[in-house]
Amino acid sequence: NAGVTQTPKFQVLKTGQSMTLQCAQDMNHNSMYWYRQDPGMGLRLIYYSASEGTTDKGEVPNGYNVSRLNKREFSLRLESAAPSQTSVYFCASSSGQGFSGYTFGSGTRLTVV
Amino acid sequence: GQQVMQIPQYQHVQEGEDFTTYCNSSTTLSNIQWYKQRPGGHPVFLIQLVKSGEVKKQKRLTFQFGEAKKNSSLHITATQTTDVGTYFCAGRRNTGKLIFGQGTTLQVKP
Repeated sequence: NAGVTQTPKFQVLKTGQSMTLQCAQDMNHNSMYWYRQDPGMGLRLIYYSASEGTTDKGEVPNGYNVSRLNKREFSLRLESAAPSQTSVYFCASSSGQGFSGYTFGSGTRLTVV
Repeated sequence: GQQVMQIPQYQHVQEGEDFTTYCNSSTTLSNIQWYKQRPGGHPVFLIQLVKSGEVKKQKRLTFQFGEAKKNSSLHITATQTTDVGTYFCAGRRNTGKLIFGQGTTLQVKP
């Protein structure tokens, strides 16, 4: 099915470990996003990529890095995980036109112990 | 900080009752979107409003965009158990970034 695919779906890390969350979309969308969702905080933008080859910081970028590998793929890396990064992470994509809705992946539930 | 405020945070209703969630922005928006997230799921795009004073309907759901393009509302008539979930508004300013509200979680008692 067409859409946004995220891997893994669940992950437990120890403090200080690193990992990369993968995201791929097959809708030929230009723009891709990484959000984190915490109780009572809504969805907060970590990083986004308006088009292939560009990335920009969002609202909460500290502790994260991203790579827009190609038009389809946008990965999120945690270099040294901290308990404060325990969250649900969503990748999303959009055509990039000003009036398009976002398509979200199913999410990655990350726990840092 | 959060620039799109959504109220209430939680709402419990009896099946058949109406439900409304409100979204307010501190700045004028170019458009506003609404999403629904089922428990344990991911946000799903519902609708987008662009014009001042715009009203759109999807079956029992009515969406409004304020005249000043700073506020919006989602009203559900005669709620059903399938309406359970968290409803998010998301506003876009001229900078292009979409800013999400904190969401309103709706519980429906059968």
